Amino acid sequence: QVLLEESGGGVVQPGKSLTISCVVSGFTFSGYAMHWVRQAPGKGLEWVAFISNDGVRKYYTDSVKGRFSISRDNSKSTLFLQMNSLRIDDTAVYYCLRGPQDYWGQGTLVSVSS
Amino acid sequence: IQMTQSPSSLSASVGDTVTITCRPSQAIDNYLDWYQQKPGKAPKSLIWTASNLRSGVPSRFRGAGSGTYFTLIITNLQPEDFATYYCQQYYGYPYTFGQGTKLEMK
Repeated sequence: QVLLEESGGGVVQPGKSLTISCVVSGFTFSGYAMHWVRQAPGKGLEWVAFISNDGVRKYYTDSVKGRFSISRDNSKSTLFLQMNSLRIDDTAVYYCLRGPQDYWGQGTLVSVSS
Repeated sequence: IQMTQSPSSLSASVGDTVTITCRPSQAIDNYLDWYQQKPGKAPKSLIWTASNLRSGVPSRFRGAGSGTYFTLIITNLQPEDFATYYCQQYYGYPYTFGQGTKLEMK
């Protein structure tokens, strides 16, 4: 059974940093690229970042370039998203997805507020 | 790549057939997925590469199209189909989603 479980969300002040995680099970993590997608409250879906299965290739949406960093630890079947210089408009539920975009986690809420 | 999805909302009844369209701002071959999302839940993948049904998705869902025009057709609507639907291109980075179509019960 494929499972993806995000964690680490919470309330953070503007300008601060937060790292969220996604632990996976039920498949060989090192064999798949991974993505982060977010959804602001009451809004649509926004793709955020991609990382190849070996961690070499990374891509980001323009609004987070230079602020967010995607990484992975294949030995621990864990995906990360380090978010720096957080802004109010980064408030969203963050989902991790397996590479073919077939399986999604349940999401973790990041709320940026003073 | 901008994704224009229409309509933004749609009212229909059980048993109806509905069509949602998605138009990318440039040709994307068939690199398009469709997702269904219910309130408070994560999106669920329905169709990949424009027309391939994910395992376990009912055959009343059908995807078609290529290039710059795609459709999601749902026939014989069931109560559980009332949700929000999104298209997404993965032809190039950054991947982009349509703005969503909320399918409501009439």
